[in-house]
Amino acid sequence: EAGVTQSPTHLIKTRGQQATLRCSPISGHTSVYWYQQALGLGLQFLLWYDEGEERNRGNFPPRFSGRQFPNYSSELNVNALELEDSALYLCASSLAKLASGANVLTFGAGSRLTVL
Amino acid sequence: QKEVEQDPGPLSVPEGAIVSLNCTYSNSAFQYFMWYRQYSRKGPELLMYTYSSGNKEDGRFTAQVDKSSKYISLFIRDSQPSDSATYLCAMSAPGGGNKLTFGTGTQLKVEL
Repeated sequence: EAGVTQSPTHLIKTRGQQATLRCSPISGHTSVYWYQQALGLGLQFLLWYDEGEERNRGNFPPRFSGRQFPNYSSELNVNALELEDSALYLCASSLAKLASGANVLTFGAGSRLTVL
Repeated sequence: QKEVEQDPGPLSVPEGAIVSLNCTYSNSAFQYFMWYRQYSRKGPELLMYTYSSGNKEDGRFTAQVDKSSKYISLFIRDSQPSDSATYLCAMSAPGGGNKLTFGTGTQLKVEL
């Protein structure tokens, strides 16, 4: 079974440009999550999409946006890039909940965005 | 103050040692506690989870949660070089919009 796939692996942009990152969830998974992993800050929750709708959003400015397509794949867009947007962007998908009710997230390998 | 605090390390131990990794948290609403392992250039993978307080064992790994102290631990027995990775604790609260709050991760190196 294919895991969560993300593209591109690496992306280099300059300040003010826009970046688009893509994610394909595990087949059958309807939920997609985006996290930012910046150096020294750990994983920060960005967005949660389920069944094509944005369900929750982290404390990030509106220039971070995304969408989920009918096939459950997802796109993360970052507009007006700033130097501090340089980070690893991780996508995760989920379907199953643990018996306790907690969500099980399967992560992709990430897209590394460098803003110069 | 961060909601979840985790010593970034690096932590270096000899092969066969018992490793103790810890996180503290401030949000008493957290009920689900997880440990993820992240190898270099890979995404995090779920290692262990516990619900509310208590212990859980899986092979060489034991997860402990002490909600009264807002403190969670992961113990690795008979550590192996293949355990060298970054270990991330993560937590979530019921009704929290499926948001996981992560620690910054502890980098572990197990040396031969």
